[in-house]
Amino acid sequence: EAGVTQFPSHSVIEKGQTVTLRCDPISGHDNLYWYRRVMGKEIKFLLHFVKESKQDESGMPNNRFLAERTGGTYSTLKVQPAELEDSGVYFCASSQGAGGLDLETQYFGPGTRLLVL
Amino acid sequence: GDSVTQMEGPVTLSEEAFLTINCTYTATGYPSLFWYVQYPGEGLQLLLKATKADDKGSNKGFEATYRKETTSFHLEKGSVQVSDSAVYFCALSDRGAQKLVFGQGTRLTINP
Repeated sequence: EAGVTQFPSHSVIEKGQTVTLRCDPISGHDNLYWYRRVMGKEIKFLLHFVKESKQDESGMPNNRFLAERTGGTYSTLKVQPAELEDSGVYFCASSQGAGGLDLETQYFGPGTRLLVL
Repeated sequence: GDSVTQMEGPVTLSEEAFLTINCTYTATGYPSLFWYVQYPGEGLQLLLKATKADDKGSNKGFEATYRKETTSFHLEKGSVQVSDSAVYFCALSDRGAQKLVFGQGTRLTINP
């Protein structure tokens, strides 16, 4: 079974540019999460999809961040325009849907390291 | 809101030493507790978990017991190896498929 994959692994952009991160969850996982770790601080929750619907987006920092999950499969996280403080590692995770035996375990991707100059 | 506090790192030990990484939490309900590990160059991996009070999670020689009375979930290993060098994250989630709340992470280095 393939794990959670993320693309790109690294991205270096200039302030004001746009970047789109992609996450492919484990096949069949209804729940998809985005998290971010900024410069050695704690990993913070951004948002949670259940299939294609946003279940909880309380962690999204501002309206420069837009997440989508069309069709309930892969998800994208777009930052537009990027600011210096957006630099960090963006993690995606997925977990089983309702009725799954292991609802609570989230499986993480390797992360995308974003650097805004 | 819910929060997790881990002992600050970095932690450096010699091979075969005993390891404890402290983790305490604050939560309004009865959360599930997790330890995740990030090895160099890799993503987060679930190390172990416990879903109710007095449960003990274990994996790869690591153990942690869910202590409701002290709101703690300390990670222990009796004899560490160089390959255990990584960043360890304590986390909690409310019941069900809810967001994880992480501690700040503890970087562990094991010297031969």
